[in-house]
Amino acid sequence: GAGVSQSPSNKVTEKGKDVELRCDPISGHTALYWYRQSLGQGLEFLIYFQGNSAPDKSGLPSDRFSAERTGGSVSTLTIQRTQQEDSAVYLCASSLVGHFQETQYFGPGTRLLVL
Amino acid sequence: AQSVTQLGSHVSVSEGALVLLRCNYSSSVPPYLFWYVQYPNQGLQLLLKYTSAATLVKGINGFEAEFKKSETSFHLTKPSAHMSDAAEYFCAVMAGGGNKLTFGTGTQLKVEL
Repeated sequence: GAGVSQSPSNKVTEKGKDVELRCDPISGHTALYWYRQSLGQGLEFLIYFQGNSAPDKSGLPSDRFSAERTGGSVSTLTIQRTQQEDSAVYLCASSLVGHFQETQYFGPGTRLLVL
Repeated sequence: AQSVTQLGSHVSVSEGALVLLRCNYSSSVPPYLFWYVQYPNQGLQLLLKYTSAATLVKGINGFEAEFKKSETSFHLTKPSAHMSDAAEYFCAVMAGGGNKLTFGTGTQLKVEL
């Protein structure tokens, strides 16, 4: 595809429910990143996948958050037992091979609202 | 650890005036620095990046930024603001071998007639 795509664009859920957010990176990009943009915390890194290497999960805020990347392409971010403080815009980005200075290309985000 | 400070959460300029958005970084190792722009309801778009080549970096839409090591700054400028420049601007740093971007809190730019 032309760019990073994310779905759904908006998600409203009730506290305690699980949600899954999807990211389709740019075709051919082997590195994929998840960030969260919230009013209280600004833009913060969540997790990074690069090829077949073990993901860098250092930014995940709690064990309710997990992510996987199937077949080296599509990624799913799962939030279990959602809390109101999880409300945020979840941004996905991809880059070609994950080199240090590479440009990360961002998707439009998924806006999550937990009631 | 690295960090970024953006002075001024809101900046307002007149159309045609100089745009100056401030960014200071903290890093114990030579950093790579980025400016991203976010238009309403859209993702982040790269404006420009510094990767240890020329200290004056030119980006898209007439923006440029200068890396000043002595001041630990990477301010974003544009000589003449246009209405279409109204957006939120984020400065970010990548350093220390990790691939994650550390962002500043953002500056909302308003352009007035």
